[in-house]
Amino acid sequence: ETGVTQSPTHLIKTRGQQVTLRCSSQSGHNTVSWYQQALGQGPQFIFQYYREEENGRGNFPPRFSGLQFPNYSSELNVNALELDDSALYLCASSFDLFEREQYFGPGTRLTVT
Amino acid sequence: GNSVTQMEGPVTLSEEAFLTINCTYTATGYPSLFWYVQYPGEGLQLLLKATKADDKGSNKGFEATYRKETTSFHLEKGSVQVSDSAVYFCAVNNTNAGKSTFGDGTTLTVKP
Repeated sequence: ETGVTQSPTHLIKTRGQQVTLRCSSQSGHNTVSWYQQALGQGPQFIFQYYREEENGRGNFPPRFSGLQFPNYSSELNVNALELDDSALYLCASSFDLFEREQYFGPGTRLTVT
Repeated sequence: GNSVTQMEGPVTLSEEAFLTINCTYTATGYPSLFWYVQYPGEGLQLLLKATKADDKGSNKGFEATYRKETTSFHLEKGSVQVSDSAVYFCAVNNTNAGKSTFGDGTTLTVKP
């Protein structure tokens, strides 16, 4: 059974640019959530996708957007990057929407200069 | 909304010492509670969980009891090892796992 994978591992972007981060869910999981983890803090919920539809969003501006594909893989897009967007971005998948457990990928470290 | 308050770190212990990391939460309804561990350069791994009051979660020698009356879920281990050095996060959710609220983490360093 393959776990949650994310790409790329590290990324450096310039303020104002756009970035796309990718996540492959664990096999059989139809629910994906994205989190932002700033240095020294806990993960903050960005949004969740269930069967290709957004199912809830945290306190993040619209320039954070996402997609989930028919194979349940997912993308996180961030437009107009700001310095404060520098963080570890974590993807987590669950077997189903009301499952109490989620499984995290290793994260993508984004640095905005 | 939900919130989680964790014991501030960092925590430094000698090998075989007793560990307690405090966690308190606020949440509506009947939340589930979790402890995750994050090793350097890695994502979060679920360490243990409890889904109802008085449940005890346990794994790898770590334990935590869901105390609804004190809204707490303190993490304990009787004898820590150097390999336990990591950041520990307490989390709560009451709808689904993907909408969890996390504490700010407690860094544990265990010295030989």
